[in-house]
Amino acid sequence: EAGVAQSPRYKIIEKRQSVAFWCNPISGHATLYWYQQILGQGPKLLIQFQNNGVVDDSQLPKDRFSAERLKGVDSTLKIQPAKLEDSAVYLCASSLRRSEERNTIYFGEGSWLTVV
Amino acid sequence: AQTVTQSQPEMSVQEAETVTLSCTYDTSESDYYLFWYKQPPSRQMILVIRQEAYKQQNATENRFSVNFQKAAKSFSLKISDSQLGDAAMYFCAYRSAKSGNTPLVFGKGTRLSVIA
Repeated sequence: EAGVAQSPRYKIIEKRQSVAFWCNPISGHATLYWYQQILGQGPKLLIQFQNNGVVDDSQLPKDRFSAERLKGVDSTLKIQPAKLEDSAVYLCASSLRRSEERNTIYFGEGSWLTVV
Repeated sequence: AQTVTQSQPEMSVQEAETVTLSCTYDTSESDYYLFWYKQPPSRQMILVIRQEAYKQQNATENRFSVNFQKAAKSFSLKISDSQLGDAAMYFCAYRSAKSGNTPLVFGKGTRLSVIA
């Protein structure tokens, strides 16, 4: 079974530029999460989707970050304009309904962003 | 809101020895799940072990076991017969069991070094 796919793996941009990250969850997983992990810290939830609807985006900096999950499958996370403090790894994760798969959330390999 | 605290930023262990990583959490909920994830330099989150709060028996997975103390809100990870491949960041995470798919809340992590 294919895992959570993310691209690009690495991206370097200048501040005030824009960047987009793509995520393809495990087939059949209705719930998709985007986490931001700054160096030396644990991952922090940015946004959670259930199918194509947003469940929680309370920690998403909406003045510069946006995310969508059209058709309830793939998702994109966009940052525009980027700031230096956005340098982080952006982790995508997915899961089935909680009653299945013993509550396991599966993670992709992450997209590393460096803003210079 | 739930919080997870890992008080040991770094730990080291001799190969073949045993090490214990500490984790405490704060919640007012009675039903939840706890996890330990391993994150190697590649940054992909790998599930090590999970514990359901309603279970009194501590979870074990081969060389990995937990000491779950619900009253004390403590959830430590013990790694026995440590191997060089165990070197990584380890994150403790909490997941609410309330209805709907809830996200993981992570601690700041503990960096484990294994000395040959």
